[in-house]
Amino acid sequence: AQSVSQHNHHVILSEAASLELGCNYSYGGTVNLFWYVQYPGQHLQLLLKYFSGDPLVKGIKGFEAEFIKSKFSFNLRKPSVQWSDTAEYFCAVNHPGGYQKVTFGTGTKLQVIP
Amino acid sequence: EAGVAQSPRYKIIEKRQSVAFWCNPISGHATLYWYQQILGQGPKLLIQFQNNGVVDDSQLPKDRFSAERLKGVDSTLKIQPAKLEDSAVYLCASSLQADSYNEQFFGPGTRLTVL
Repeated sequence: AQSVSQHNHHVILSEAASLELGCNYSYGGTVNLFWYVQYPGQHLQLLLKYFSGDPLVKGIKGFEAEFIKSKFSFNLRKPSVQWSDTAEYFCAVNHPGGYQKVTFGTGTKLQVIP
Repeated sequence: EAGVAQSPRYKIIEKRQSVAFWCNPISGHATLYWYQQILGQGPKLLIQFQNNGVVDDSQLPKDRFSAERLKGVDSTLKIQPAKLEDSAVYLCASSLQADSYNEQFFGPGTRLTVL
């Protein structure tokens, strides 16, 4: 069965610091990759996604993620975080085609200190 | 456009009682999902509907959990009887279609506490 690992459960950064959240998945075949975000008191929402093509994908609010197939990784990055980025971030994976359920990681809580 | 609606937002019950959750997806979305999110874990898919048919219920504990989507619009998830380990947030999501490229839109969730 597919699994997704997020190594950091809780990250605390000061504003303007750079962010990198790790995500590794277990399946060796073709995958679709997602990052979802849940801001305090809000719904889970899509931040960015990768299906194919350029392995560096850009999402909303200055976030980007890089797919490295050889490392089974899809790390999330932002060069300079803001207080408003405080949220919980979930990496997720599914397989292309048909009815393919999404497997989520355990999430990383990011706290940005002003 | 209106988002995914869920009710109730919070529910506290005692073990062995029954509980039901309701979800109304975004208008026009054919696919509806129920997830269970236990504290400290990511969402886990319980059941996926395409219109009013079940696509995947492989992780639904069928001895106590049931779900339906009559008429292919709103849906209910029921737990009967509840156990302590069912304490979790139950998330409903919807997407235009069921294929793997469609973005899922999530509701606010129902936080269930089983005492």
